[in-house]
Amino acid sequence: TQLLEQSPQFLSIQEGENLTVYCNSSSVFSSLQWYRQEPGEGPVLLVTVVTGGEVKKLKRLTFQFGDARKDSSLHITAAQPGDTGLYLCAGEGNNNDMRFGAGTRLTVKP
Amino acid sequence: NAGVTQTPKFRVLKTGQSMTLLCAQDMNHEYMYWYRQDPGMGLRLIHYSVGEGTTAKGEVPDGYNVSRLKKQNFLLGLESAAPSQTSVYFCASSETRVQPQHFGDGTRLSIL
Repeated sequence: TQLLEQSPQFLSIQEGENLTVYCNSSSVFSSLQWYRQEPGEGPVLLVTVVTGGEVKKLKRLTFQFGDARKDSSLHITAAQPGDTGLYLCAGEGNNNDMRFGAGTRLTVKP
Repeated sequence: NAGVTQTPKFRVLKTGQSMTLLCAQDMNHEYMYWYRQDPGMGLRLIHYSVGEGTTAKGEVPDGYNVSRLKKQNFLLGLESAAPSQTSVYFCASSETRVQPQHFGDGTRLSIL
């Protein structure tokens, strides 16, 4: 079983602060996806990374895929209350399936 | 754009009752999935389908059955509900097995 561990589990910060959340595994993934889920809704895709060392930016969000394709990070600059939500990573496993981590629940206080 | 629609949104059952959750997608996706989401455990795959008339077991299939009689619909059934099946259930669809998945807004199911 390829497990994805996300840290921290919970994070509460003030508006304007920077933060980084992590998605780690002992297994290699062909690709990795990041989703954000807001209360009462389903997850929505933010980005897919496929190449080791790849960096993708989405406005104030920066995603990085580890060189060995075993880990990924999401950095948010100048967080806003609208960034509040559950951030999930999902990796493409050996059986051509997607496995999800348990998520990081982010709260950005105004 | 409707995307993925799940019905019902909420349901309370008594132990032993049966029910069916309906998922419908309008994106002509081949792949459809049913997940359950529990606190601290993320999304766990129950069953999935790679096309009309096909189904396959996921990570936690016990106690659930599924059917994909039409390409746009994927049904999840609980034959004899148990309190351990209290959860939020999400349906998703995608073009291929590893393409980004489009999720519905979930069904919150409580079993007393």
